[in-house]
Amino acid sequence: NAGVTQTPKFQVLKTGQSMTLQCAQDMNHEYMSWYRQDPGMGLRLIHYSVGAGITDQGEVPNGYNVSRSTTEDFPLRLLSAAPSQTSVYFCASSYSIGGGRNEQFFGPGTRLTVL
Amino acid sequence: DAKTTQPPSMDCAEGRAANLPCNHSTISGNEYVYWYRQIHSQGPQYIIHGLKNNETNEMASLIITEDRKSSTLILPHATLRDTAVYYCIVTGTGAGSYQLTFGKGTKLSVIP
Repeated sequence: NAGVTQTPKFQVLKTGQSMTLQCAQDMNHEYMSWYRQDPGMGLRLIHYSVGAGITDQGEVPNGYNVSRSTTEDFPLRLLSAAPSQTSVYFCASSYSIGGGRNEQFFGPGTRLTVL
Repeated sequence: DAKTTQPPSMDCAEGRAANLPCNHSTISGNEYVYWYRQIHSQGPQYIIHGLKNNETNEMASLIITEDRKSSTLILPHATLRDTAVYYCIVTGTGAGSYQLTFGKGTKLSVIP
């Protein structure tokens, strides 16, 4: 299994540009999410999905869109990039929700710089 | 989810046991304690979790006090590769439990 994969690894955007960060998992996990991590900070949840066709907002959703058309993929779209979105973005997936089977698997991250 | 408190940093000599404490005094009966770590610039890595019994796996041991208000993650023989930020997270059941709340964690430095 490849686990959770993310592309690209690095990206530089200009203010106002849009782009999509890709995330895929091959573990047949129902639950996927996106986090961002700013320098010296913990991770903050952007959006999450509990299954194909179902998404919801996390702590910091503004400026981002998501969709979940398949179990495997969970892309994150930046609508109009701003310097405040410069961060490292992590995608995660989990077999289950709640209780004793909630261990999450994280991808390697996408490092985004917005100029 | 209950809030957790961890020391901001700790040092450990290579080869010694690293004991990382976590306080979660407001934990409720159906909430689990999860530990993750993040090695520099990498994605967080799941380590171990427990409800009320002590747990052990190939990476670490988790000791939860009888009143469940605190726990300790034990790395039995720390190596330089264990240098990382360690996060203690309390999560329950239901929809909200999927949203992990990462605090600032404990930065563990393993010293040669």
